Amino acid sequence: AQKVTQAQTEISVVEKEDVTLDCVYETRDTTYYLFWYKQPPSGELVFLIRRNSFDEQNEISGRYSWNFQKSTSSFNFTITASQVVDSAVYFCALSSNAGNNRKLIWGLGTSLAVNP
Amino acid sequence: DAGVIQSPRHEVTEMGQEVTLRCKPISGHDYLFWYRQTMMRGLELLIYFNNNVPIDDSGMPEDRFSAKMPNASFSTLKIQPSEPRDSAVYFCASSSRLAGRYNEQFFGPGTRLTVL
Repeated sequence: AQKVTQAQTEISVVEKEDVTLDCVYETRDTTYYLFWYKQPPSGELVFLIRRNSFDEQNEISGRYSWNFQKSTSSFNFTITASQVVDSAVYFCALSSNAGNNRKLIWGLGTSLAVNP
Repeated sequence: DAGVIQSPRHEVTEMGQEVTLRCKPISGHDYLFWYRQTMMRGLELLIYFNNNVPIDDSGMPEDRFSAKMPNASFSTLKIQPSEPRDSAVYFCASSSRLAGRYNEQFFGPGTRLTVL
């Protein structure tokens, strides 16, 4: 069975702090995809990144970086020098490459509050 | 490009009434997903379509819920009769199998449904 665990329910930091959101996944598939989505207070779900299981390179996009480690089945998300606008719920998700299956298995989300 | 379009954005209705939510996916996308989000249950996949055909409706809560996709650019989610426990935010998302965009789902703004 596939599963995504985001153990941190809520995180509160002060602006300019670095913060890491943890994501641990379970799957028996050899090829799979991992995602991060952001849901700001306005409610929309915004796609941030997709990572393929065969590409373990870490990725950096501005203040955002992602650390994918197959050995520990983790796909963690770090925000450097956090800002108030980063306050949101962040979801990690997993998808397999099996057949016609396009379902995403979602974590329960981590609510990040960045305080001024 | 226009994103996923949902209507209405807000719906308030009384118990027992029929509710119809509408979605227009991103042009060219061949997968369409309907989700429900509540505080108690998080983000739940209700049903998804591929090329207008329902692939997995195992998440549809009960017979009161039905979804259709008569063509590639339009889908509806209908609740009849509605109940207070159906109050939630309903999201529509679409995705494409085009190279480089495998399995990413792009979400509409959601419909906030309140059943009194």
